[in-house]
Amino acid sequence: RKEVEQDPGPFNVPEGATVAFNCTYSNSASQSFFWYRQDCRKEPKLLMSVYSSGNEDGRFTAQLNRASQYISLLIRDSKLSDSATYLCVVNGVEGSARQLTFGSGTQLTVLP
Amino acid sequence: SQTIHQWPATLVQPVGSPLSLECTVEGTSNPNLYWYRQAAGRGLQLLFYSVGIGQISSEVPQNLSASRPQDRQFILSSKKLLLSDSGFYLCAWSRTGRTGELFFGEGSRLTVL
Repeated sequence: RKEVEQDPGPFNVPEGATVAFNCTYSNSASQSFFWYRQDCRKEPKLLMSVYSSGNEDGRFTAQLNRASQYISLLIRDSKLSDSATYLCVVNGVEGSARQLTFGSGTQLTVLP
Repeated sequence: SQTIHQWPATLVQPVGSPLSLECTVEGTSNPNLYWYRQAAGRGLQLLFYSVGIGQISSEVPQNLSASRPQDRQFILSSKKLLLSDSGFYLCAWSRTGRTGELFFGEGSRLTVL
């Protein structure tokens, strides 16, 4: 089983739709979680950290389910500019770079 | 504000040739520095990281090496490139203790022929 797994997609949704991605992780001791966004042929950019209580940033909501070992990202009212690949990142031990694992990403295309 | 730059953006190199990718960070001191490689359809693979000048940790045995000659400078090198070295190389920095919050450079796309 991969350490961090994501559905590669692609998810093709119309503008204004709500879309959700899940990411599962295998290490139950994982301590911190993040979502990054990567545009085609560009560098990844931190979208948001995922807190235990869940957190929201505008149209984006991230949640953590430790019991089932997954994190989710919900995007409401999708915009064309949301088209990108969304990377799930899991940190096994805070402060340890070698414990940081990136998923392969979920591709989202928002259609006009 | 902090910025990170890496260069060159694109490289086409023959097998057996040397490689040097450079990365610099501005606006912060004593950052953690990283080199990652991203292959098509795969997650980012950590190659090297550094917590200070001259301190390099290697994560994957390979023909690449890294150096940190100055606090905010990180260099990725190879003496002889292999075909398998092709990929998208990303430099990144983070604050100490905040390893999950990475800030990436623009990336260097290497094609080895």
